[in-house]
Parts: sequence; structure tokens; C-alpha cells
Amino acid sequence: DTAVSQTPKYLVTQMGNDKSIKCEQNLGHDTMYWYKQDSKKFLKIMFSYNNKELIINETVPNRFSPKSPDKAHLNLHINSLELGDSAVYFCASSRKLLSALTDTQYFGPGTRLTVL
Amino acid sequence: GIQVEQSPPDLILQEGANSTLRCNFSDSVNNLQWFHQNPWGQLINLFYIPSGTKQNGRLSATTVATERYSLLYISSSQTTDSGVYFCAPEGTSYGKLTFGQGTILTVHP
Repeated sequence: DTAVSQTPKYLVTQMGNDKSIKCEQNLGHDTMYWYKQDSKKFLKIMFSYNNKELIINETVPNRFSPKSPDKAHLNLHINSLELGDSAVYFCASSRKLLSALTDTQYFGPGTRLTVL
Repeated sequence: GIQVEQSPPDLILQEGANSTLRCNFSDSVNNLQWFHQNPWGQLINLFYIPSGTKQNGRLSATTVATERYSLLYISSSQTTDSGVYFCAPEGTSYGKLTFGQGTILTVHP
């Protein structure tokens, strides 16, 4: 059983297009995340949702819009794609501890986005 | 935000060797996680370790939060240990992990 899944695994598209990446977790976690990994392997958080509420919104162009229809899904929509958006995008999830801290984060397999 | 520095940046080992990876961070943290990214790109959580020492097979980790560092020990390394090791402390912002730049480990047979 896949704990955190993402689709598609690869995405190749032209500059200016709009695309979406979907993420689903079957772990019953409250919190989901989107991370971006650049060509130098640097990983940076983009967004986080807890029970469908946005709680982390890093300095990300507003062309990126996350959407959480329910706590098991967090999708990422990107408008007007640019060359610099090429990267691997990871979805992750974790449960919220009683102490209001987060627990272990589990990552999906990643989506490699290439903008031509 | 938190600054994270990992060392060494690259490490090459022969199978069977032991190694220690270090993670220094600049501020107080709520927790710290270690991840392994394998050559296929999958990120696997190794440890959730806000303080103290934990062991999992050939791997163990120690975090000394008061001195702002964490160590990952790999004993009797195997070729399957190759990949990039990241540490990621969580500061005071709920759920926000700040990743270090990683240590690239290559284990030769």
C-alpha cells in the first residue's frame, strides 16, 4: 500500500502552460506539505495544510496555488509555467501530536517537472 | 530562519567502513529529522530525534539540542547506503522543516 502518492511522476510541458500535481495520503495524517527540490538537491518547503487550513505559505510566486479538498489530499496548481519552475516537487504528510508539534514526515515519490 | 549546516558535503567509503555525519543548526528546535534520499530519488525518513540517542539497525542518531547539533552514525556501510543524507530541524513554526544541503555518501563494494 502506498502511503503518500503523487501523480504524475513526470511532467514535461511548455512555458506558459498551466499544470497540476495531485497528492494523496492514506495514513490518516492531519498535515500535508509541498516541497521543491532544485537541481542542486536543495529542498525547501513551499506550503503546508493542517485539516484543510493553510498554515505555512513560504515566499512562493502566486502562480503556485495549493488546494486541499479534504485532509487526505493536497494538490498543487501552477499557472503560467516558467523555465525556473523545473524541479522535483515532493508531497509529504505527518500527524499532529498532542503537544501541537508535528511527528515524522513521510514523503511521496516526487514529481519531476520539466518546463521547455 | 534556522541556518543548517551539514558536514562533510561528500563522503566516499569502502563497504564495511563506519562513518559519522554532522548537522549543526543555529536556533532552538522543536524536533529534528534525518532523511536518506536514495539514487532513485525517494526520500526515506530515518529518525525523528529532538534529543537523545536512537538506534535502528546499523544506523544511530544523537541530537544535543542544547549545543545545537545532531550526528548520524552509519556502521558497517553497505552499497545500498549510498545516496544523500539530509538533516531537517523544525524550529518554532509548526511543521516547517529546514533542510541542510545534504551529505552525498558513496559506498564502493
